[in-house]
Amino acid sequence: EAGVVQSPRYKIIEKKQPVAFWCNPISGHNTLYWYLQNLGQGPELLIRYENEEAVDDSQLPKDRFSAERLKGVDSTLKIQPAELGDSAVYLCASSLGLAGEYNEQFFGPGTRLTVL
Amino acid sequence: GDSVTQMEGPVTLSEEAFLTINCTYTATGYPSLFWYVQYPGEGLQLLLKATKADDKGSNKGFEATYRKETTSFHLEKGSVQVSDSAVYFCALNIGATNKLIFGTGTLLAVQP
Repeated sequence: EAGVVQSPRYKIIEKKQPVAFWCNPISGHNTLYWYLQNLGQGPELLIRYENEEAVDDSQLPKDRFSAERLKGVDSTLKIQPAELGDSAVYLCASSLGLAGEYNEQFFGPGTRLTVL
Repeated sequence: GDSVTQMEGPVTLSEEAFLTINCTYTATGYPSLFWYVQYPGEGLQLLLKATKADDKGSNKGFEATYRKETTSFHLEKGSVQVSDSAVYFCALNIGATNKLIFGTGTLLAVQP
């Protein structure tokens, strides 16, 4: 079974440019998460989806970040415009559900963003 | 707020040495506790977990016991291998949101 797929793996852009990251979760996983991981830090949750609904986006900087999960499968995270401080790794994870044996989160390899 | 504190790295050990990576937490409720591992170039993988006090999680020779009285979840392995070299993250989640709160990670380097 394929794991969580993310693309691109690496992205280098100049500040003020837009950028988008794509995530394909494990088949059948209803819950999808986007995390931000700064260098030397642990991941921090940006947004969580239940199917196509964003149910926890309190940590998403909405002035420049947006996300969508059309049809409740793939998801895209966008930054427009990018700033130097956005340089980080963006992780996508998915789980079958939220509780009990279904709550294990499976992570993708991440997209490493460098803003020049 | 809820948080996780783990020992800073890097931790450098010789093969077959004993490993301990300390992790303590602060939580208002009753969290589940996790250890994740990140091998070079790969995504985070769940290593082990414990969902209630005194539970012991174990996998691949690694163990950690949920200690409510000391709010700790220290990771141990009796004999490390070069292939264990990775970054280890301690994490917790509470309640129905399944939001994971991570520590800063500890880099383990095992030398032959």
